[in-house]
Amino acid sequence: EPEVTQTPSHQVTQMGQEVILRCVPISNHLYFYWYRQILGQKVEFLVSFYNNEISEKSEIFDDQFSVERPDGSNFTLKIRSTKLEDSAMYFCASRDGAHTEAFFGQGTRLTVV
Amino acid sequence: GIQVEQSPPDLILQEGANSTLRCNFSDSVNNLQWFHQNPWGQLINLFYIPSGTKQNGRLSATTVATERYSLLYISSSQTTDSGVYFCAWAPTTSGTYKYIFGTGTRLKVLA
Repeated sequence: EPEVTQTPSHQVTQMGQEVILRCVPISNHLYFYWYRQILGQKVEFLVSFYNNEISEKSEIFDDQFSVERPDGSNFTLKIRSTKLEDSAMYFCASRDGAHTEAFFGQGTRLTVV
Repeated sequence: GIQVEQSPPDLILQEGANSTLRCNFSDSVNNLQWFHQNPWGQLINLFYIPSGTKQNGRLSATTVATERYSLLYISSSQTTDSGVYFCAWAPTTSGTYKYIFGTGTRLKVLA
């Protein structure tokens, strides 16, 4: 069964460092998303990406965040200068149409120290 | 505003018991899924169910879109069912079909 793959599964970084979280969505999917979950809280939407551009972003997704789909297969989330409060589980998701199931990756647990 | 509410927030069951988890949403539904978050933090998709009823083994789900709620039924619960259950909903007003997640139901099944 096709799946969304995220790497790394766990990353520890120092405050102020840049991190890139990587995702390989399912190949024929058209809609791509990043979500995050701070420990013990609910999952929150960060950004959606469609037709090679950001289609919506949340208030959380400020100038420190960026997304790219550089080669038609990878979908990355970059945090330019990490803060302690960026520590969270980050989930990538994709779907192939408007009225279809979203497939979530297994998540990347980011710890900022 | 646009929101989704889950109940109960916490649930403790004896192994073998049945339970019903509820998700209320505030607007017309485009997409809706139920997830189980396992102890490693992974979101396991249980059902994609914007309307109707589905069953998968001991689990089943029903969404009544006209009344803006969805139910997840767990029958003959097992200790491995423990974890947090999330409902995620995309309203028809969302042009990006992003999900809004509920705050979850934390289930503990005792042996």
